[in-house]
Amino acid sequence: RKEVEQDPGPFNVPEGATVAFNCTYSNSASQSFFWYRQDCRKEPKLLMSVYSSGNEDGRFTAQLNRASQYISLLIRDSKLSDSATYLCVPNNAGNMLTFGGGTRLMVKP
Amino acid sequence: DVKVTQSSRYLVKRTGEKVFLECVQDMDHENMFWYRQDPGLGLRLIYFSYDVKMKEKGDIPEGYSVSREKKERFSLILESASTNQTSMYLCASSLEGAQGHYGYTFGSGTRLTVV
Repeated sequence: RKEVEQDPGPFNVPEGATVAFNCTYSNSASQSFFWYRQDCRKEPKLLMSVYSSGNEDGRFTAQLNRASQYISLLIRDSKLSDSATYLCVPNNAGNMLTFGGGTRLMVKP
Repeated sequence: DVKVTQSSRYLVKRTGEKVFLECVQDMDHENMFWYRQDPGLGLRLIYFSYDVKMKEKGDIPEGYSVSREKKERFSLILESASTNQTSMYLCASSLEGAQGHYGYTFGSGTRLTVV
C-alpha cells in the first residue's frame, strides 16, 4: 500500500460549488498533516496544517479521521483561482515528508 | 516569510555536462531537500541534509550528488547530465520540532532540459 494515496482527478466543478477530496495514509503513527497547493508549473505552497481533528481557514476546511486513516479537504464557494493541484502530506516526526501525487481541481466559470 | 531561492528558473544543458543547481534559504533552517517532479510521478526525493556537511540519500540519488558547505546553501550536482534527468527540480527547506516538520518551503524550481 502506498504511504499516501489521492485520487488524481481532475475534479471539474463550477464556480461557487463545494468540493471535497480525500487522502488516505498508511502510517497510523502520523500525528499531523499538511495540505499543499501547487499551481501549474509552479512550486508547492503550504495551504494548511492539521494538528488535531481538523482545521478551518476561510473557505477551506480540513478534517482528519484517524480511525479510518484519511484526511479530507473541503473547499466551499469555489473560485476560478482555486484551480490547482492539492497535495496531501502526512507529517511523521523524524521522517521525511512524503508527498501524495495530488488531486487536480479545475473550477469552471 | 522564509525565502528559498534557486539560482536558475530554466536551464538547457548538453548530455555529459556537469550541472550545478544552487539553492539558498534565508531563515536558518537546518533541513534542506532536493526533489524532482515529473508528470505522473509526483515529487521524488533525491537528497536531503540535516546539517552542514551532512547529506543523506533520498529515493532516487543515482546520477546526482550534493554539497552543503554552509547552512544556508544546498547544491545539487548532476555529474554527467543525461536526457532522463530532464525534469523540474525543486529545493525545499524546513524547521523541525518534536512533532515533526513545520512544513516545507519550496523554491520556485529549476526546469532543466538536457539535450
